[in-house]
Amino acid sequence: AQSVTQLGSHVSVSEGALVLLRCNYSSSVPPYLFWYVQYPNQGLQLLLKYTSAATLVKGINGFEAEFKKSETSFHLTKPSAHMSDAAEYFCAVSPLGGGADGLTFGKGTHLIIQP
Amino acid sequence: NAGVMQNPRHLVRRRGQEARLRCSPMKGHSHVYWYRQLPEEGLKFMVYLQKENIIDESGMPKERFSAEFPKEGPSILRIQQVVRGDSAAYFCASSPNQNTGELFFGEGSRLTVL
Repeated sequence: AQSVTQLGSHVSVSEGALVLLRCNYSSSVPPYLFWYVQYPNQGLQLLLKYTSAATLVKGINGFEAEFKKSETSFHLTKPSAHMSDAAEYFCAVSPLGGGADGLTFGKGTHLIIQP
Repeated sequence: NAGVMQNPRHLVRRRGQEARLRCSPMKGHSHVYWYRQLPEEGLKFMVYLQKENIIDESGMPKERFSAEFPKEGPSILRIQQVVRGDSAAYFCASSPNQNTGELFFGEGSRLTVL
């Protein structure tokens, strides 16, 4: 069984500031980990994924995430926030090799960018 | 290469009516997943299907909800006798196989029950 906890349902940063969205996972087997972004009234788009290769994963739009097994974390970061980054971000986990129920999602973090 | 297509994007039903949501997976994808999203919550798994087979329906309510993915045509999520609590966004996702874990999502169908 696996689960995901995203700390902070809302995160507010100033434009140009560092973005840090936290994700901790629980998995009984080695996991695949994902970050998805959802813009208003749209579906989810994949930002990046960890599949047991490099622990630092680079994604689209300047985002990256680091897999830390000892901390069971997969936090999402971006050095400099842009207004267009305002969206809902979801962390998700899947057992290595895929799972019958697809992905298990966290509750999401709403990222607010202050001008 | 078209993405995952869902229709309708918005659906309004009165209590007791039926709702049918359709999903065409990406070309070459044979695995379909349905998720439900409620306000302020993440996505909750409902059902996983392959062509003509329901693989895992552990997230589906026991009554009123059903899903299919026929040999020809889109996957359909059917909700009978809708109630206000069924109001939500329903997302379909597809993948080429089960082993990558990565899912490709449609834009969702937003059901409003009056």
